[in-house]
Amino acid sequence: EIVMTQSPATLSVSPGERATLSCRASQSVSSNLAWYQEKPGQAPRLLIYGASTRATGIPARFSGSGSGTEFTLTISSLQSEDFAVYYCQQYNNWPYTFGQGTKLEIK
Amino acid sequence: EVQVVESGGGLVQPGGSLRLSCAASGFTFRSWWMSWVRQAPGKGLEWVASIMPDGSEKYYVDSVKGRFTISRDNAKNSLFLQMNSLRAEDTAVYYCARDRAASDEGGFDYWGQGTLVTVSS
Repeated sequence: EIVMTQSPATLSVSPGERATLSCRASQSVSSNLAWYQEKPGQAPRLLIYGASTRATGIPARFSGSGSGTEFTLTISSLQSEDFAVYYCQQYNNWPYTFGQGTKLEIK
Repeated sequence: EVQVVESGGGLVQPGGSLRLSCAASGFTFRSWWMSWVRQAPGKGLEWVASIMPDGSEKYYVDSVKGRFTISRDNAKNSLFLQMNSLRAEDTAVYYCARDRAASDEGGFDYWGQGTLVTVSS
């Protein structure tokens, strides 16, 4: 099983600033990585797939990068609606696995 | 509009069974992989199971193998999760999600609102 490790567990950032979230895989997942945003009481929303491609309707301030074992989600200028929990997920191998999540909170 | 709606959750005793359903609409259900993902209270997301469009291949997380069965009825645009020998650690919100495994894109692009399964005596 591929273990996905996200860091930090909690990130405090001010609105308008940049947020950088990290995700590391225990072995290579190529570019088969997705990022999701989850808000309380809502289903997760797909943000990024293929490590760097924004899903339909996702604002350009969200960007993903990386391949192999190291990945980054960057939110260029935080809006109030961006404060949430973010998960990475690999779909390169069965079983699919998620990271434990990064909570992005208002500083 | 793509929609997936789960049902069937509830309170069940340890060792009991429950069958979850997911009704899909707004897309050609028979052409898509489908998956179940769960989230225990206060915890992160955990993939549970996936099924090929024609139902011929199924994959499970180790912790549910032999206890859970994923299935689908393409004629009724429905996905199911039969859960047997339930344990307290299976308590979670269970999400049905459309899985883009068959394409080069990947990821779960549409999710339901989830159905809560509570395993407790």
